[in-house]
Amino acid sequence: NAGVTQTPKFQVLKTGQSMTLQCAQDMNHNSMYWYRQDPGMGLRLIYYSASEGTTDKGEVPNGYNVSRLNKREFSLRLESAAPSQTSVYFCASSREGAATEAFFGQGTRLTVV
Amino acid sequence: AQSVTQLDSQVPVFEEAPVELRCNYSSSVSVYLFWYVQYPNQGLQLLLKYLSGSTLVESINGFEAEFNKSQTSFHLRKPSVHISDTAEYFCAVSPGYSSASKIIFGSGTRLSIRP
Repeated sequence: NAGVTQTPKFQVLKTGQSMTLQCAQDMNHNSMYWYRQDPGMGLRLIYYSASEGTTDKGEVPNGYNVSRLNKREFSLRLESAAPSQTSVYFCASSREGAATEAFFGQGTRLTVV
Repeated sequence: AQSVTQLDSQVPVFEEAPVELRCNYSSSVSVYLFWYVQYPNQGLQLLLKYLSGSTLVESINGFEAEFNKSQTSFHLRKPSVHISDTAEYFCAVSPGYSSASKIIFGSGTRLSIRP
């Protein structure tokens, strides 16, 4: 029962480097999300994908891009990492939008130095 | 747009004591409301949710929350907490229609249980 799988679990980047966070779900869910979690700020929505082939901006999309590669996979890309992007990133998926339960991955702890 | 305010960043309580974690929301449309729990070094898990119907909803591990439309609140309560309830709790809101996809989370309340 894999659920939502994120890779990598940890990453250290230098300012200006790029990287892609990978997320895959095996529950046949339509909706997928990327959040960042910072102390005292809860989870903030970066981007979401209501269904395969669509993506929309969340609360804090600047500095990020996403790709809904297929129904299973939703990747998050940092083109030029900045120290302000140091955070824990969570991917989540749900069957049909917000009314159904969102399942979360274990998170990726990213440090930008 | 929707927003969520969790009034307490930390709540320390003794084991077997009651607890209330407060959550207020703001929205111009009807909403769905959620409580999620995050145990240390894990992702979030759904604890309970309000979609419609009875305003009192319960979880399998003894938590309950009541939707109060007039006070725009969805406070989480448990009559007697256990050490295993130590976690961070997040209130969340989304627009109240089934196709809505944006779930907005509050800043979280860290519940610490003292023996």
